[in-house]
Amino acid sequence: SAVISQKPSRDICQRGTSLTIQCQVDSQVTMMFWYRQQPGQSLTLIATANQGSEATYESGFVIDKFPISRPNLTFSTLTVSNMSPEDSSIYLCSAFHLYNEQFFGPGTRLTVL
Amino acid sequence: EDKVVQSPLSLVVHEGDTVTLNCSYEVTNFRSLLWYKQEKKAPTFLFMLTSSGIEKKSGRLSSILDKKELFSILNITATQTGDSAIYLCAVDTGTASKLTFGTGTRLQVTL
Repeated sequence: SAVISQKPSRDICQRGTSLTIQCQVDSQVTMMFWYRQQPGQSLTLIATANQGSEATYESGFVIDKFPISRPNLTFSTLTVSNMSPEDSSIYLCSAFHLYNEQFFGPGTRLTVL
Repeated sequence: EDKVVQSPLSLVVHEGDTVTLNCSYEVTNFRSLLWYKQEKKAPTFLFMLTSSGIEKKSGRLSSILDKKELFSILNITATQTGDSAIYLCAVDTGTASKLTFGTGTRLQVTL
């Protein structure tokens, strides 16, 4: 299985600021994804991080709010821009590995005041 | 719209009990169904099911898929307090490997 790390593990931010979350996989993977889990809810896909091209966003999520980078096959970043308290969530990256299994990083717990 | 529904939403059992968690789905394309255990933040992969009727087993946990009736079950036998978690079911619709998640079942195992 792939080992995925995320930084930071948690943060408390002020309204209007931005936070960049990093995701590192210990092996090259074809696809990486970013999910959000709001309090008491299940996981919702934000976007697919494409290597070498713009991310593919799901309905309700836009690049200006959640810019994503994926410079290579093992690393991706998600930025939460101009944050508001509604952005308080757990943000998770995942990687699509061999045999179609998806593994998740440890998550970033974001609180916006 | 793709939909994954889990039941029950929550469950409290005594240690040693056997539990069955349900997951039904309605999706336009189906590639696989995955079960995860979420204790704190990160979902931990449990099983991936692609074929009907073939049971996957890992210790006290097992799961099976019925592609005709569009559901899966996750069984946990001889439950322990360490099994307390949210169990998530997700379907890979084969569209760029995106997962559609159910709402989860919160399991609490008491002494």
